Amino acid sequence: DVKVTQSSRYLVKRTGEKVFLECVQDMDHENMFWYRQDPGLGLRLIYFSYDVKMKEKGDIPEGYSVSREKKERFSLILESASTNQTSMYLCASKPSGLAGSEQFFGPGTRLTVL
Amino acid sequence: AQTVTQSQPEMSVQEAETVTLSCTYDTSESDYYLFWYKQPPSRQMILVIRQEAYKQQNATENRFSVNFQKAAKSFSLKISDSQLGDAAMYFCASPEGIQGAQKLVFGQGTRLTINP
Repeated sequence: DVKVTQSSRYLVKRTGEKVFLECVQDMDHENMFWYRQDPGLGLRLIYFSYDVKMKEKGDIPEGYSVSREKKERFSLILESASTNQTSMYLCASKPSGLAGSEQFFGPGTRLTVL
Repeated sequence: AQTVTQSQPEMSVQEAETVTLSCTYDTSESDYYLFWYKQPPSRQMILVIRQEAYKQQNATENRFSVNFQKAAKSFSLKISDSQLGDAAMYFCASPEGIQGAQKLVFGQGTRLTINP
């Protein structure tokens, strides 16, 4: 069964802390994505990766970085967390080469920055 | 940049009735896919239905169907015989980018409530 897992469902951090959100997929997908979900704004793409060590900025990359050292794992890093980064973070993966293939989502991490 | 618009932040429907969620999009691609995703409360986002733009026939998956109007760039989701388990946030999405590495552009979402 297809699976995307995220390291935490809920996370509370303090302003200025470095935060790591981890995502792992077991489907051997080339593409992985990090989205941020906010009410009224839908999902917005932060970063995506189409191969190991490859990454591309999405629509809202400011304040975030990513790491993909292994195919199955894609990490989102908040270098210095701020209160406006309080949000739901969703990870997704999909295979490459198929335009109509769906993205598979993780359960999400609800991050609160105090 | 591509945009996807869902103009209904919230919708409600009586159990067993039919409801239609609207979505419009804007793309310069000639061939593309459109997706509806469902996010139940505290559960993972899952794909409900997809439509390939060059296919004129509207996609159907059991009680879920789409009304795809390519010229109007409209892609609505119809849920027939609504069930309590259909209560969720629904997102319309369209891919953007090179084939195979496409990111999804999402609408703002519609929260659907099912009244028993």
